[in-house]
Amino acid sequence: EADIYQTPRYLVIGTGKKITLECSQTMGHDKMYWYQQDPGMELHLIHYSYGVNSTEKGDLSSESTVSRIRTEHFPLTLESARPSHTSQYLCASSDGTSNQPQHFGDGTRLSIL
Amino acid sequence: QKEVEQNSGPLSVPEGAIASLNCTYSDRGSQSFFWYRQYSGKSPELIMSIYSNGDKEDGRFTAQLNKASQYVSLLIRDSQPSDSATYLCAVSQRGGGADGLTFGKGTHLIIQP
Repeated sequence: EADIYQTPRYLVIGTGKKITLECSQTMGHDKMYWYQQDPGMELHLIHYSYGVNSTEKGDLSSESTVSRIRTEHFPLTLESARPSHTSQYLCASSDGTSNQPQHFGDGTRLSIL
Repeated sequence: QKEVEQNSGPLSVPEGAIASLNCTYSDRGSQSFFWYRQYSGKSPELIMSIYSNGDKEDGRFTAQLNKASQYVSLLIRDSQPSDSATYLCAVSQRGGGADGLTFGKGTHLIIQP
């Protein structure tokens, strides 16, 4: 069973605030991902990482940034939140070998007022 | 562009019947295929993986892969109301890599009691 944790589960915050969404996994997976998903809509990859000190932008342009200083930790930061950032953010990880499935955390539902 | 196509539905199936979900993909070099189940407001959960042509069975679920036709399907036998969810097809492209997993938009399945 996948052990990947996201905090907070829910966040309601005002415009202009700096936000960091936490994601940690205990499986030693090299690859980690952030997806954005609106209700009833498809997943959009916004960031991914091959390993420590590796970060790449995904298919969907995002104003957020990520860092990967430790294997187990892949936080996502929004420097100045806007209502357009309201969405669900899903973190996932997978083993470093090719063609392995991704395992998802429970997600953070973010609402910017 | 690598594509994974699914009928968005909703697909309505009576309780106890077989639900059949289909997925086609564009990259002939794709190597690994996954089915995820996503309940409303929740994160995707891996339910099946298949890597070679043919059928793979796990409980009430059967995944079918036909690489020549670039087609993968999921059959759910003895459908239950708890199977009502969105089912995401995911395909790992040639060479893998952190961005190598492409998700379809999902099929919304409704099991009618």
